[in-house]
Amino acid sequence: GAGVSQSPSNKVTEKGKDVELRCDPISGHTALYWYRQSLGQGLEFLIYFQGNSAPDKSGLPSDRFSAERTGGSVSTLTIQRTQQEDSAVYLCASSFPAGHSTSTDTQYFGPGTRLTVL
Amino acid sequence: AQSVAQPEDQVNVAEGNPLTVKCTYSVSGNPYLFWYVQYPNRGLQFLLKYITGDNLVKGSYGFEAEFNKSQTSFHLKKPSALVSDSALYFCAFLHGSSNTGKLIFGQGTTLQVKP
Repeated sequence: GAGVSQSPSNKVTEKGKDVELRCDPISGHTALYWYRQSLGQGLEFLIYFQGNSAPDKSGLPSDRFSAERTGGSVSTLTIQRTQQEDSAVYLCASSFPAGHSTSTDTQYFGPGTRLTVL
Repeated sequence: AQSVAQPEDQVNVAEGNPLTVKCTYSVSGNPYLFWYVQYPNRGLQFLLKYITGDNLVKGSYGFEAEFNKSQTSFHLKKPSALVSDSALYFCAFLHGSSNTGKLIFGQGTTLQVKP
């Protein structure tokens, strides 16, 4: 079946502009995660959704970052007033619902969106 | 703080030789440990995991890892390396519980397999 998809694959923006990054999880996956991969910080967790709610937003670096999920499927990560330090690869992952199988703990990743802030 | 560490930034090995990519953990309770691989300009691909049971875990592409509680290690191994194994490898643990936890990653180790 189809894996996690993300769009756009690349995004170049000017400092101060807003950007939206999209994630389509694997069909049937109720949990969705956003991570960021940057040279200086490595791979870091941003936010986690269970259905449409976000029980853990602890990794969002500032209030310029927000995310939502609708219909228990697609998620959008929004960065307002982008800064150069926001340049990174943003990765989305999803996993099976609890009780589905022993694979509930395995997160499957999309190809990422490379964000460059000029 | 709970963490995983990958002590080597880069591992070089000749094709056909065995390879080991090291990972140590500092995690309370029973850790859920993972290995992921990242090829250039691609996302992370799941290789294998340890949850419970057998300490030797077998995964994709001929990789395996051994959970060693006394040494708090979870090293990734392959008996015979291929040039196509060259990639960035991440060790991680699940902070939280199944389906609700977040992955905490090590720094990553670049594996270079030379012909």
